[in-house]
Amino acid sequence: AQTVTQSQPEMSVQEAETVTLSCTYDTSENNYYLFWYKQPPSRQMILVIRQEAYKQQNATENRFSVNFQKAAKSFSLKISDSQLGDTAMYFCAFMKHSGLTGANSKLTFGKGITLSVRP
Amino acid sequence: DTEVTQTPKHLVMGMTNKKSLKCEQHMGHRAMYWYKQKAKKPPELMFVYSYEKLSINESVPSRFSPECPNSSLLNLHLHALQPEDSALYLCASSRERRTVRETQYFGPGTRLLVL
Repeated sequence: AQTVTQSQPEMSVQEAETVTLSCTYDTSENNYYLFWYKQPPSRQMILVIRQEAYKQQNATENRFSVNFQKAAKSFSLKISDSQLGDTAMYFCAFMKHSGLTGANSKLTFGKGITLSVRP
Repeated sequence: DTEVTQTPKHLVMGMTNKKSLKCEQHMGHRAMYWYKQKAKKPPELMFVYSYEKLSINESVPSRFSPECPNSSLLNLHLHALQPEDSALYLCASSRERRTVRETQYFGPGTRLLVL
């Protein structure tokens, strides 16, 4: 079974600064996806960024980038130039790349981290 | 376009009522999901439909009854719910190719209150 750990329950950052959210995971699989989802107070779950484990290059999406360390099983999210709209709960999630039955096709979420961006 | 829509946005129901939640996507995704989410917690998977057939049921009580009438639509029928069923209900969809389900895209959710 896979586990995803987000050990920091809350973080705060000043607007325009950079913040890094941590995530570690445990799996015996070699091929999988990792995701960061954002859930603002409106509670819509929004995909922020996706990383495929076989890709060595770290994924980036505008101000969002990841530091994917496969050997260390670490997948942190860096938010540059933080904006007030980045205030949200952020979930790290894991999904096995193949196999459609039972646990193989599930998203395994971490507990989430609440990020507050201060004006 | 990565839009999943859900109706209603909010729902208040008594324990004897019957109601339904609706989810729709027009991205051609063949996998659709229902999640339950309590405040400040991650979503918990309830059901997965693959090509309109129920693929996963996470031992959800029978007072929740899913239905997938076509490839774009997913319903969740509610009957005789308990106050502890109050939560945000999220629908998601993803592409499914051969043995791979891909990125899940979520709808805005239905906030349910059971009195």
